[in-house]
Amino acid sequence: AQKITQTQPGMFVQEKEAVTLDCTYDTSDPSYGLFWYKQPSSGEMIFLIYQGSYDQQNATEGRYSLNFQKARKSANLVISASQLGDSAMYFCAMREGPAGANSKLTFGKGITLSVRP
Amino acid sequence: GAVVSQHPSWVICKSGTSVKIECRSLDFQATTMFWYRQFPKQSLMLMATSNEGSKATYEQGVEKDKFLINHASLTLSTLTVTSAHPEDSSFYICSARRWTSGSYNEQFFGPGTRLTVL
Repeated sequence: AQKITQTQPGMFVQEKEAVTLDCTYDTSDPSYGLFWYKQPSSGEMIFLIYQGSYDQQNATEGRYSLNFQKARKSANLVISASQLGDSAMYFCAMREGPAGANSKLTFGKGITLSVRP
Repeated sequence: GAVVSQHPSWVICKSGTSVKIECRSLDFQATTMFWYRQFPKQSLMLMATSNEGSKATYEQGVEKDKFLINHASLTLSTLTVTSAHPEDSSFYICSARRWTSGSYNEQFFGPGTRLTVL
Protein backbone atom coordinates (compact mmCIF):
# COMPACT_ATOMS: atom_id res chain seq x y z
CA ALA A 1 0.00 0.00 0.00
CA GLN A 2 1.16 3.51 -0.70
CA LYS A 3 2.35 5.34 2.36
CA ILE A 4 1.44 8.78 1.03
CA THR A 5 -1.49 9.29 -1.31
CA GLN A 6 -2.15 12.43 -3.28
CA THR A 7 -4.90 11.71 -5.79
CA GLN A 8 -6.16 15.10 -6.87
CA PRO A 9 -5.65 15.90 -10.52
CA GLY A 10 -4.24 19.28 -11.39
CA MET A 11 -5.84 21.91 -9.19
CA PHE A 12 -6.89 25.39 -10.24
CA VAL A 13 -7.67 28.30 -7.95
CA GLN A 14 -8.52 31.92 -8.51
CA GLU A 15 -6.04 34.44 -7.18
CA LYS A 16 -6.84 35.56 -3.60
CA GLU A 17 -9.02 32.53 -2.93
CA ALA A 18 -8.19 29.64 -0.60
CA VAL A 19 -7.37 26.13 -1.80
CA THR A 20 -7.02 22.77 -0.08
CA LEU A 21 -4.58 20.13 -1.28
CA ASP A 22 -5.35 16.64 -0.06
CA CYS A 23 -2.97 14.13 1.46
CA THR A 24 -3.68 10.83 3.17
CA TYR A 25 -1.06 8.64 4.77
CA ASP A 26 -0.65 5.11 6.00
CA THR A 27 1.50 4.07 8.92
CA SER A 28 1.24 1.87 11.98
CA ASP A 29 3.95 3.76 13.82
CA PRO A 30 2.52 6.00 16.55
CA SER A 31 5.35 8.48 16.07
CA TYR A 32 5.63 10.16 12.69
CA GLY A 33 5.93 13.53 11.02
CA LEU A 34 4.16 15.01 8.06
CA PHE A 35 5.66 17.59 5.74
CA TRP A 36 4.53 19.68 2.81
CA TYR A 37 6.95 20.92 0.18
CA LYS A 38 6.50 23.22 -2.79
CA GLN A 39 8.41 22.63 -6.01
CA PRO A 40 8.21 25.46 -8.53
CA SER A 41 9.28 24.97 -12.13
CA SER A 42 12.87 25.78 -11.14
CA GLY A 43 12.97 22.42 -9.35
CA GLU A 44 13.98 23.49 -5.87
CA MET A 45 12.09 21.85 -3.01
CA ILE A 46 10.80 24.48 -0.60
CA PHE A 47 9.69 23.43 2.88
CA LEU A 48 6.27 24.80 3.79
CA ILE A 49 4.97 23.24 6.98
CA TYR A 50 5.40 20.37 9.44
CA GLN A 51 2.99 18.46 11.67
CA GLY A 52 4.10 15.96 14.27
CA SER A 53 1.88 13.03 15.15
CA TYR A 54 1.73 14.08 18.78
CA ASP A 55 1.07 17.73 18.09
CA GLN A 56 -2.24 18.75 19.61
CA GLN A 57 -2.86 21.70 17.36
CA ASN A 58 -2.86 22.05 13.60
CA ALA A 59 0.33 23.60 12.28
CA THR A 60 0.23 27.04 10.71
CA GLU A 61 2.91 28.99 8.85
CA GLY A 62 1.78 32.30 7.44
CA ARG A 63 -0.71 31.57 4.64
CA TYR A 64 -0.22 27.84 5.04
CA SER A 65 -2.09 25.68 7.50
CA LEU A 66 -2.29 21.94 7.87
CA ASN A 67 -5.65 20.34 8.52
CA PHE A 68 -4.51 17.33 10.53
CA GLN A 69 -7.17 14.66 11.08
CA LYS A 70 -5.35 11.85 12.80
CA ALA A 71 -8.19 9.35 12.95
CA ARG A 72 -8.76 9.71 9.22
CA LYS A 73 -5.01 9.77 8.55
CA SER A 74 -5.24 12.89 6.51
CA ALA A 75 -2.99 15.95 6.44
CA ASN A 76 -4.43 18.43 4.00
CA LEU A 77 -2.63 21.64 3.16
CA VAL A 78 -4.69 24.81 3.10
CA ILE A 79 -3.32 27.82 1.27
CA SER A 80 -5.19 31.01 2.01
CA ALA A 81 -5.28 34.08 -0.24
CA SER A 82 -3.61 32.36 -3.19
CA GLN A 83 -0.99 34.27 -5.11
CA LEU A 84 0.27 33.78 -8.65
CA GLY A 85 3.60 32.67 -7.21
CA ASP A 86 1.87 29.74 -5.53
CA SER A 87 1.61 27.98 -8.90
CA ALA A 88 3.83 24.93 -8.46
CA MET A 89 3.92 21.23 -7.67
CA TYR A 90 3.11 20.39 -4.05
CA PHE A 91 4.37 17.27 -2.31
CA CYS A 92 3.19 15.71 0.92
CA ALA A 93 5.84 13.63 2.72
CA MET A 94 6.02 11.48 5.82
CA ARG A 95 8.72 10.47 8.23
CA GLU A 96 7.87 7.24 10.02
CA GLY A 97 9.17 6.82 13.52
CA PRO A 98 10.72 9.44 15.78
CA ALA A 99 13.02 12.06 14.31
CA GLY A 100 16.52 10.67 13.95
CA ALA A 101 19.62 11.44 11.97
CA ASN A 102 18.89 8.78 9.36
CA SER A 103 15.12 8.84 9.32
CA LYS A 104 13.78 8.99 5.76
CA LEU A 105 11.05 10.91 4.04
CA THR A 106 8.56 9.19 1.79
CA PHE A 107 6.95 11.48 -0.77
CA GLY A 108 3.56 11.40 -2.42
CA LYS A 109 3.16 11.78 -6.17
CA GLY A 110 2.47 15.47 -5.90
CA ILE A 111 -0.29 17.82 -6.97
CA THR A 112 0.04 20.57 -9.56
CA LEU A 113 -1.55 23.83 -8.48
CA SER A 114 -2.24 26.61 -10.95
CA VAL A 115 -3.35 30.02 -9.73
CA ARG A 116 -5.46 32.00 -12.18
CA PRO A 117 -5.26 35.81 -12.23
CA GLY B 1 16.60 28.50 6.44
CA ALA B 2 19.88 26.74 5.79
CA VAL B 3 21.40 26.64 2.31
CA VAL B 4 22.32 23.57 0.30
CA SER B 5 24.06 23.96 -3.04
CA GLN B 6 24.47 21.55 -5.91
CA HIS B 7 26.93 21.66 -8.75
CA PRO B 8 26.48 21.53 -11.65
CA SER B 9 22.89 22.65 -12.05
CA TRP B 10 22.70 20.89 -15.38
CA VAL B 11 24.96 18.61 -17.36
CA ILE B 12 24.85 16.97 -20.76
CA CYS B 13 27.17 14.05 -21.40
CA LYS B 14 27.76 11.28 -23.88
CA SER B 15 26.71 7.73 -23.18
CA GLY B 16 29.44 5.80 -21.41
CA THR B 17 30.99 8.72 -19.57
CA SER B 18 30.85 9.36 -15.83
CA VAL B 19 29.36 12.42 -14.22
CA LYS B 20 30.01 13.75 -10.72
CA ILE B 21 27.48 15.89 -8.87
CA GLU B 22 28.46 17.78 -5.73
CA CYS B 23 26.19 18.63 -2.85
CA ARG B 24 27.30 21.10 -0.17
CA SER B 25 25.68 22.40 2.97
CA LEU B 26 26.91 25.98 3.01
CA ASP B 27 26.14 27.24 6.48
CA PHE B 28 25.67 24.18 8.64
CA GLN B 29 27.13 20.76 9.25
CA ALA B 30 24.91 18.01 7.96
CA THR B 31 24.56 14.85 10.01
CA THR B 32 23.13 13.05 7.03
CA MET B 33 22.79 13.66 3.32
CA PHE B 34 20.27 12.11 0.98
CA TRP B 35 20.19 11.66 -2.78
CA TYR B 36 16.94 11.59 -4.70
CA ARG B 37 15.99 11.04 -8.29
CA GLN B 38 12.98 12.61 -9.92
CA PHE B 39 11.50 11.97 -13.36
CA PRO B 40 9.36 14.68 -14.98
CA LYS B 41 6.05 15.26 -13.24
CA GLN B 42 6.78 12.45 -10.79
CA SER B 43 7.65 12.07 -7.15
CA LEU B 44 11.07 12.10 -5.53
CA MET B 45 12.52 8.64 -5.13
CA LEU B 46 15.18 8.18 -2.47
CA MET B 47 18.32 6.61 -3.88
CA ALA B 48 20.62 6.53 -0.88
CA THR B 49 21.40 7.90 2.54
CA SER B 50 24.93 8.85 3.48
CA ASN B 51 26.77 9.82 6.62
CA GLU B 52 30.17 11.44 6.77
CA GLY B 53 32.97 8.93 6.77
CA SER B 54 30.86 5.84 6.27
CA LYS B 55 29.45 3.91 3.35
CA ALA B 56 26.16 5.03 1.89
CA THR B 57 23.02 3.01 2.45
CA TYR B 58 21.29 2.39 -0.85
CA GLU B 59 17.58 1.83 -1.37
CA GLN B 60 16.40 -1.40 -2.85
CA GLY B 61 16.81 -1.47 -6.61
CA VAL B 62 19.52 1.21 -6.75
CA GLU B 63 22.79 -0.05 -8.21
CA LYS B 64 25.66 0.75 -5.88
CA ASP B 65 28.28 0.40 -8.59
CA LYS B 66 26.31 2.63 -10.90
CA PHE B 67 25.66 5.45 -8.46
CA LEU B 68 28.74 6.00 -6.34
CA ILE B 69 28.29 8.18 -3.28
CA ASN B 70 31.13 9.67 -1.33
CA HIS B 71 30.50 11.66 1.82
CA ALA B 72 33.89 13.24 2.42
CA SER B 73 32.98 15.73 5.13
CA LEU B 74 30.08 17.09 7.15
CA THR B 75 29.43 19.61 4.40
CA LEU B 76 30.12 17.70 1.18
CA SER B 77 28.65 14.67 -0.52
CA THR B 78 29.16 13.62 -4.13
CA LEU B 79 27.16 11.39 -6.43
CA THR B 80 28.96 9.90 -9.41
CA VAL B 81 26.90 8.35 -12.16
CA THR B 82 29.29 5.87 -13.73
CA SER B 83 29.09 4.82 -17.38
CA ALA B 84 25.96 6.89 -17.84
CA HIS B 85 23.30 5.81 -20.31
CA PRO B 86 20.25 7.65 -21.67
CA GLU B 87 18.00 5.95 -19.11
CA ASP B 88 20.02 7.66 -16.35
CA SER B 89 18.80 11.03 -17.61
CA SER B 90 16.86 12.54 -14.74
CA PHE B 91 16.71 15.30 -12.15
CA TYR B 92 18.94 14.50 -9.18
CA ILE B 93 18.29 16.27 -5.91
CA CYS B 94 20.38 16.16 -2.78
CA SER B 95 19.22 16.97 0.69
CA ALA B 96 21.08 17.66 3.90
CA ARG B 97 19.78 17.14 7.38
CA ARG B 98 20.68 19.44 10.20
CA TRP B 99 20.26 17.69 13.46
CA THR B 100 19.17 19.84 16.35
CA SER B 101 18.13 18.24 19.60
CA GLY B 102 14.40 18.64 20.14
CA SER B 103 13.71 19.65 16.55
CA TYR B 104 11.64 17.80 14.03
CA ASN B 105 14.80 17.12 12.13
CA GLU B 106 14.95 19.72 9.43
CA GLN B 107 15.93 18.55 5.98
CA PHE B 108 17.08 21.10 3.41
CA PHE B 109 17.11 20.48 -0.30
CA GLY B 110 19.54 21.53 -2.98
CA PRO B 111 18.34 23.11 -6.22
CA GLY B 112 18.82 19.89 -8.17
CA THR B 113 20.97 18.79 -11.11
CA ARG B 114 19.43 17.98 -14.45
CA LEU B 115 21.39 15.21 -16.17
CA THR B 116 20.90 14.49 -19.85
CA VAL B 117 22.78 11.56 -21.35
CA LEU B 118 22.97 11.51 -25.14
